[in-house]
Amino acid sequence: DGGITQSPKYLFRKEGQNVTLSCEQNLNHDAMYWYRQDPGQGLRLIYYSQIVNDFQKGDIAEGYSVSREKKESFPLTVTSAQKNPTAFYLCASGGTGGNQPQHFGDGTRLSIL
Amino acid sequence: GENVEQHPSTLSVQEGDSAVIKCTYSDSASNYFPWYKQELGKGPQLIIDIRSNVGEKKDQRIAVTLNKTAKHFSLHITETQPEDSAVYFCAAPGDSGYALNFGKGTSLLVTP
Repeated sequence: DGGITQSPKYLFRKEGQNVTLSCEQNLNHDAMYWYRQDPGQGLRLIYYSQIVNDFQKGDIAEGYSVSREKKESFPLTVTSAQKNPTAFYLCASGGTGGNQPQHFGDGTRLSIL
Repeated sequence: GENVEQHPSTLSVQEGDSAVIKCTYSDSASNYFPWYKQELGKGPQLIIDIRSNVGEKKDQRIAVTLNKTAKHFSLHITETQPEDSAVYFCAAPGDSGYALNFGKGTSLLVTP
């Protein structure tokens, strides 16, 4: 089945540690996105990529980094510089442009130990 | 920048009644308006979307209406069922033209 796979489902981070969240899609979409969701909040854009080897910062990029070496993959690293990383992280993919449907994975919940 | 406001934040209806959720946007150039349904512990799922060249779109029990002049669009769910209980998000294209801005969500509860 075509879709977006995020792993792991749950992740714990220690102080000073970097952690990487995986996102893989087999929908042949050019664009991929990372969002952060906090309780009672909408989705806030962290980073997005419209094409391989290119990505742009979203509204809350500080403390995060990404790479886009393959069309299918868009991993997100939460660095130790992100002081409040506890949240639900959602990856999405879609056609190029903000006027295209986005399809989401089932998220990774990150917590601090 | 593009600002998407969503109301109400919570909505409780009885099974069989209708539910309406409304969103407003600020950028008159916006041309695509999706609605997503998110169940607990899952990612949002696209349920319906509308483009600015039409005023209404329907899919079985759900419909979306768009008023470009007033810059608002609404989700209508008729004959609600308990399985419609979820958080619903609206969205509109962001300033960059390459991503979506989301409303803060509406938690819908359908009671039997």
